Amino acid sequence: DAMVIQNPRYQVTQFGKPVTLSCSQTLNHNVMYWYQQKSSQAPKLLFHYYDKDFNNEADTPDNFQSRRPNTSFCFLDIRSPGLGDAAMYLCATSSDTKETQYFGPGTRLLVL
Amino acid sequence: SQQGEEDPQALSIQEGENATMNCSYKTSINNLQWYRQNSGRGLVHLILIRSNEREKHSGRLRVTLDTSKKSSSLLITASRAADTASYFCATEGGSYIPTFGRGTSLIVHP
Repeated sequence: DAMVIQNPRYQVTQFGKPVTLSCSQTLNHNVMYWYQQKSSQAPKLLFHYYDKDFNNEADTPDNFQSRRPNTSFCFLDIRSPGLGDAAMYLCATSSDTKETQYFGPGTRLLVL
Repeated sequence: SQQGEEDPQALSIQEGENATMNCSYKTSINNLQWYRQNSGRGLVHLILIRSNEREKHSGRLRVTLDTSKKSSSLLITASRAADTASYFCATEGGSYIPTFGRGTSLIVHP
């Protein structure tokens, strides 16, 4: 089945230790998104790729970076995680930015 | 901000009852989407309604859109315990990137 896969499902890292979250898709969608969601809050868009074009949200901290080496994969790099970065990180894809988004199961990040 | 606002924030009902959630937004939209999120999981798309549509159905779900009032509602009929989840509306403005509200937390008691 076509799907969006996120690994790992749970990630524990230490304060200040770089961490990478991964997302892959078999939908062959043009657009991939990364969202941060804290408890009982709305998913907050960090950035998205339309093909290879990277689009950063204005209020996304510089601590967050992303890479999309090919259509199928997209990575979220947190260069120096702080306690405030503990959250659920959701990856999503869509055929176009106006169309339905398909979400992965999320990676829950814990920062010690 | 185009962020939709869901109302109520929390809703608790008995199995078999109907559940209605509302979403209000501020500026004109091209479409509005409803998503469901089970605890600790990703979001699942339910329905997309375009600005020129007034009502859409999918199984036990009914979505209405009133662009003059800048609001949408999601009705779940004959609710089941498995409907327990958070429900989000996502609206998109000129950027065409959907923006999510804080969601309505629905609890359906068996």
